[in-house]
Amino acid sequence: RKEVEQDPGPFNVPEGATVAFNCTYSNSASQSFFWYRQDCRKEPKLLMSVYSSGNEDGRFTAQLNRASQYISLLIRDSKLSDSATYLCVIGSGNTGKLIFGQGTTLQVKP
Amino acid sequence: DAGVIQSPRHEVTEMGQEVTLRCKPISGHNSLFWYRQTMMRGLELLIYFNNNVPIDDSGMPEDRFSAKMPNASFSTLKIQPSEPRDSAVYFCASRPDSALEAFFGQGTRLTVV
Repeated sequence: RKEVEQDPGPFNVPEGATVAFNCTYSNSASQSFFWYRQDCRKEPKLLMSVYSSGNEDGRFTAQLNRASQYISLLIRDSKLSDSATYLCVIGSGNTGKLIFGQGTTLQVKP
Repeated sequence: DAGVIQSPRHEVTEMGQEVTLRCKPISGHNSLFWYRQTMMRGLELLIYFNNNVPIDDSGMPEDRFSAKMPNASFSTLKIQPSEPRDSAVYFCASRPDSALEAFFGQGTRLTVV
């Protein structure tokens, strides 16, 4: 089983739609959680950290469920510019290493 | 403020040749990561340094791959001999001890023919 698993998609949605991605992780000792965004042929960039209480940044909401070992990302009112690959990232508290999921591709259509 | 700098941006080499990828982390960042990205396997962590010391190299594919960090401002990833299956984008990322997230360089696109 992979340490971090995501549905690769693609998710094709119209502008204005709400879309949600989930990510599961296998290491219960994981201590930090992130969503990164990667545009085509570019490097990954931090979108937002994920906190235990859940957090929101504009149209983006991230949640963490430690009991079920998954994190989620909700995008409201999708824009064309949201089209990208969204990478789930899990940090190990013991070693500090960051493990990436394979990514979920989102295509927002006009 | 300069980010993580990788060189070269693109490398095309023949099978069997030695390839050296270079990375300059952000000044003051204590941790450095090397990742490899392919369509099939996504982003794989190859090796992780903290304060110039390799902490976890369990992701290094085989003995053909080696990585060094001789000082806080420079790291190399070497492949010798290179094979076509090594073709991928190699990313370097760095992180300060005060933060949890990492910052990526623009990557080196390696093609082995």
